Amino acid sequence: DAGITQSPRHKVTETGTPVTLRCHQTENHRYMYWYRQDPGHGLRLIHYSYGVKDTDKGEVSDGYSVSRSKTEDFLLTLESATSSQTSVYFCAISEAGGNGYTFGSGTRLTVV
Amino acid sequence: GESVGLHLPTLSVQEGDNSIINCAYSNSASDYFIWYKQESGKGPQFIIDIRSNMDKRQGQRVTVLLNKTVKHLSLQIAATQPGDSAVYFCAENYGANSKLTFGKGITLSVRP
Repeated sequence: DAGITQSPRHKVTETGTPVTLRCHQTENHRYMYWYRQDPGHGLRLIHYSYGVKDTDKGEVSDGYSVSRSKTEDFLLTLESATSSQTSVYFCAISEAGGNGYTFGSGTRLTVV
Repeated sequence: GESVGLHLPTLSVQEGDNSIINCAYSNSASDYFIWYKQESGKGPQFIIDIRSNMDKRQGQRVTVLLNKTVKHLSLQIAATQPGDSAVYFCAENYGANSKLTFGKGITLSVRP
């Protein structure tokens, strides 16, 4: 999707295990975002980044951490996965904050 | 694909008719608005945007109308086709370097 790739596309993991999702972009955009999408809740922001090593929390950041060591990669880590973190996770990129986002295809994560 | 349409309001239209999808936004200071389309199992895709200094903007078969007085945004789809069946989200933004706020979405179902 327009130079943004998420991996893996699907993952099943056990409760209590760490999980890392990757977002990779080839657009050289400054801003990157992680959202989760659940029925009835729409898209909720987990964390975002406004530059290399510059990140901030979103509205549902508890239980998640992120890292951005280079422009093209934004990693989302669940330190100890819980069943409530079963969701579809979307990464998005933006050239300038507040402008339109381009979304990746999503990662479906199931915590059992 | 992911059942993101669960618990969302649904608009059902006949193929060939025009569709109007409405959205009430929350921040009277928002100055940029976007409509996204999300098909089952995919990430949201940009449809059309509008800045607050405009009331109307047209794209290919789609028109966005903005009424700032009542904080209302609408998406009109002309000659609705089966491929238009999806969940539609509005999003709003205020100021540079801020983050988009997404509505919960509306499911559009096109009857053949």
